[in-house]
Amino acid sequence: QKEVEQNSGPLSVPEGAIASLNCTYSDRGSQSFFWYRQYSGKSPELIMFIYSNGDKEDGRFTAQLNKASQYVSLLIRDSQPSDSATYLCAVGGSNYKLTFGKGTLLTVNP
Amino acid sequence: GAGVSQSPSNKVTEKGKDVELRCDPISGHTALYWYRQRLGQGLEFLIYFQGNSAPDKSGLPSDRFSAERTGESVSTLTIQRTQQEDSAVYLCASSQREGPYEQYFGPGTRLTVT
Repeated sequence: QKEVEQNSGPLSVPEGAIASLNCTYSDRGSQSFFWYRQYSGKSPELIMFIYSNGDKEDGRFTAQLNKASQYVSLLIRDSQPSDSATYLCAVGGSNYKLTFGKGTLLTVNP
Repeated sequence: GAGVSQSPSNKVTEKGKDVELRCDPISGHTALYWYRQRLGQGLEFLIYFQGNSAPDKSGLPSDRFSAERTGESVSTLTIQRTQQEDSAVYLCASSQREGPYEQYFGPGTRLTVT
């Protein structure tokens, strides 16, 4: 059973701070890693994907992947109240399915 | 360009009735997925379509659930004899290529069974 684990939160950070969201996965053969943002009552929105070890930056977002530790993280710099949402980690293995974590609720306080 | 669209956005139905949910994927996306998300829960995989290949129906929770897709276009998810536990948001996602790659979600259909 492939598992993707996330701290459910809530993770609370002040406006302007760095929010760090973490995800671990069980399948060592995993190839692709995604972060989705889901606002309350809305559908998931893809914000980052990463396939190789290391860091990938896009604006205020940085995804970090460490396959040896089976760990992927998302850093949000200069957090804004509009970043308050649930962040879903998703992991792809050798087939077409993604396994989703249950998400971490992030609250950015003004 | 246009994203994934789903209809209806909301559906309220009585227990025992059949419902049909529709998904229109992003143009050119060959892979299509259906998920279910119960209130406060994670995403539950239901079914996967890829081109003209046989679908992966392994996530369908019971034989009351079925889905169809014609080629690489619209898909419909049908729930027969709805039960209260079917109440959830049904999400459709599409992907440009076969494999564990980026999936883009539609807005979902919120189904309420009374």
